[in-house]
Amino acid sequence: GAVVSQHPSWVICKSGTSVKIECRSLDFQATTMFWYRQFPKQSLMLMATSNEGSKATYEQGVEKDKFLINHASLTLSTLTVTSAHPEDSSFYICSSRRGTEAFFGQGTRLTVV
Amino acid sequence: KQEVTQIPAALSVPEGENLVLNCSFTDSAIYNLQWFRQDPGKGLTSLLLIQSSQREQTSGRLNASLDKSSGRSTLYIAASQPGDSATYLCAASLNQAGTALIFGKGTTLSVSS
Repeated sequence: GAVVSQHPSWVICKSGTSVKIECRSLDFQATTMFWYRQFPKQSLMLMATSNEGSKATYEQGVEKDKFLINHASLTLSTLTVTSAHPEDSSFYICSSRRGTEAFFGQGTRLTVV
Repeated sequence: KQEVTQIPAALSVPEGENLVLNCSFTDSAIYNLQWFRQDPGKGLTSLLLIQSSQREQTSGRLNASLDKSSGRSTLYIAASQPGDSATYLCAASLNQAGTALIFGKGTTLSVSS
């Protein structure tokens, strides 16, 4: 099946710093990448949709200036959590679709201390 | 607004037992429905994808059914094994292939040996 690779798998950062998460499609071109967030014992919630070469679309309640998304190529999308705070600690996961099937990255566990 | 619900939230069974996980969705106009497995702290592994025109899909010991009219899908796991212990998520895709998935909260399965 299609492979979506996400890096890093976990990161611990200090409050106020920024963290970049990368998501790559390894064997297909991902025109669209979805970014989700998952809090403990909760479901995955869509944060934003990134489209290659254009601005990302953010879901209601998600701050676009805090969660910067770049999708500069058909195989790479990045999510940067700027000025991270402890409440941003969560599991972030990217996804793309090849045809009708969705494939997910391994996820990134972000802990802000 | 599409909502996806999964019951039960948690399930414990002895090894070898057959079991059914339930997923319901409020809007029957789905494009497809996908079942995933998520191990603790890990990403999502796609198990089965059912297109809206299909009634069921099978892969090994797994069988997923879809009844659009009643807004339900079930995941049947035959002869459960301890290695099946994980959280199982169902996700509905809306009418367009380019849209994100809407997830249920998942069913956490524990299979004891």
